[in-house]
Amino acid sequence: DAKTTQPNSMESNEEEPVHLPCNHSTISGTDYIHWYRQLPSQGPEYVIHGLTSNVNNRMASLAIAEDRKSSTLILHRATLRDAAVYYCILWPPRRSYNTDKLIFGTGTRLQVFP
Amino acid sequence: DADVTQTPRNRITKTGKRIMLECSQTKGHDRMYWYRQDPGLGLRLIYYSFDVKDINKGEISDGYSVSRQAQAKFSLSLESAIPNQTALYFCATSDKGTGFGLAGGSEQFFGPGTRLTVL
Repeated sequence: DAKTTQPNSMESNEEEPVHLPCNHSTISGTDYIHWYRQLPSQGPEYVIHGLTSNVNNRMASLAIAEDRKSSTLILHRATLRDAAVYYCILWPPRRSYNTDKLIFGTGTRLQVFP
Repeated sequence: DADVTQTPRNRITKTGKRIMLECSQTKGHDRMYWYRQDPGLGLRLIYYSFDVKDINKGEISDGYSVSRQAQAKFSLSLESAIPNQTALYFCATSDKGTGFGLAGGSEQFFGPGTRLTVL
């Protein structure tokens, strides 16, 4: 499976923008980039996804490099509630026995300070 | 009410015991999944089911079995629990029909998790 690399942890102050990077140098041309986050004591939740173009939704923005070997999840104004582990996931996975699973790495733990 | 529920939320058991974790969903989704989460390892897929008659092994199915009793229910069983099955277990659902397009996958919706401790 194509691998993603994320920093283990990042810090931000409340109301500041946060840029969470993800490297995926072995991405194929048809791989989508999905982002999930996991708040403390909760299951993961979907944040955003994209293929080539930058994407925006109510939660975040996703900036995808022109060569698609990296992407950045942007939280425009971090709040305390954004403190979570953020996972960058490539879809679909490559293994032959599955077609729909999400492969989670260890993600980036974001701390937000008041 | 939560769309994806898991019972129990916490369970402590002893080595060798049979344990069942249950997942129910009210989202009407066809697809259901069981993941486990261990510190430092992210989430790993145990089993997944695309409909009641379609069940597939994931990355780490050894020591586990599942049952899809109905579209809304997907149970995970540990036939003989062992300490290295101590983990946080998550159930998830997704809907093939309203995903991100055929090639883009679909959003998965996760339950709140079950914390299992095997002594």
